[in-house]
Amino acid sequence: GNSVTQMEGPVTLSEEAFLTINCTYTATGYPSLFWYVQYPGEGLQLLLKATKADDKGSNKGFEATYRKETTSFHLEKGSVQVSDSAVYFCALETSYDKVIFGPGTSLSVIP
Amino acid sequence: GAGVSQSPSNKVTEKGKDVELRCDPISGHTALYWYRQSLGQGLEFLIYFQGNSAPDKSGLPSDRFSAERTGGSVSTLTIQRTQQEDSAVYLCASSLPNYGYTFGSGTRLTVV
Repeated sequence: GNSVTQMEGPVTLSEEAFLTINCTYTATGYPSLFWYVQYPGEGLQLLLKATKADDKGSNKGFEATYRKETTSFHLEKGSVQVSDSAVYFCALETSYDKVIFGPGTSLSVIP
Repeated sequence: GAGVSQSPSNKVTEKGKDVELRCDPISGHTALYWYRQSLGQGLEFLIYFQGNSAPDKSGLPSDRFSAERTGGSVSTLTIQRTQQEDSAVYLCASSLPNYGYTFGSGTRLTVV
């Protein structure tokens, strides 16, 4: 069945550090891939998405590239801020099936 | 409306009582989902409605949980004979295929 694996957290970084959160997936067919973010005390929000191989999703300085050959969708940001502290969820969706979420990775950015 | 609306935002109930949680999805979204999130935990899938197809109920944790979606729009999640382990934030989301979910702000359920 379909599944998503994310790096375990929590991840703690200093402000302006480079961020990578790894995400790999297993899926039949050609899924769409997503990153969602949940800021403290808030609901989940879609951060970015990519719907086919080699697509790059980007938003708020975050990027992720859909790599079919490595079945990965790693989230990156060149310089994190304290306001980026949140839980990040990788997810996939195949046609007309429910979205599968990874377990989430908690990020804390310290000044 | 502009977003997914859930009500109530908070619910405190006594153990053994039934509760109903409501979700108003974005108009035109064909898919509707219920998840729950316990404190500090990930997302647990509960049930999925897609158009007129039979719902995917594979995530419902027990027969105390049920959900319906009337007229392809509003959905109600019902928990009968609530238990303390049912305490969590119940999240509803709606979507069009491959566009990503829009989540509601959730209902925080506390069973005392």
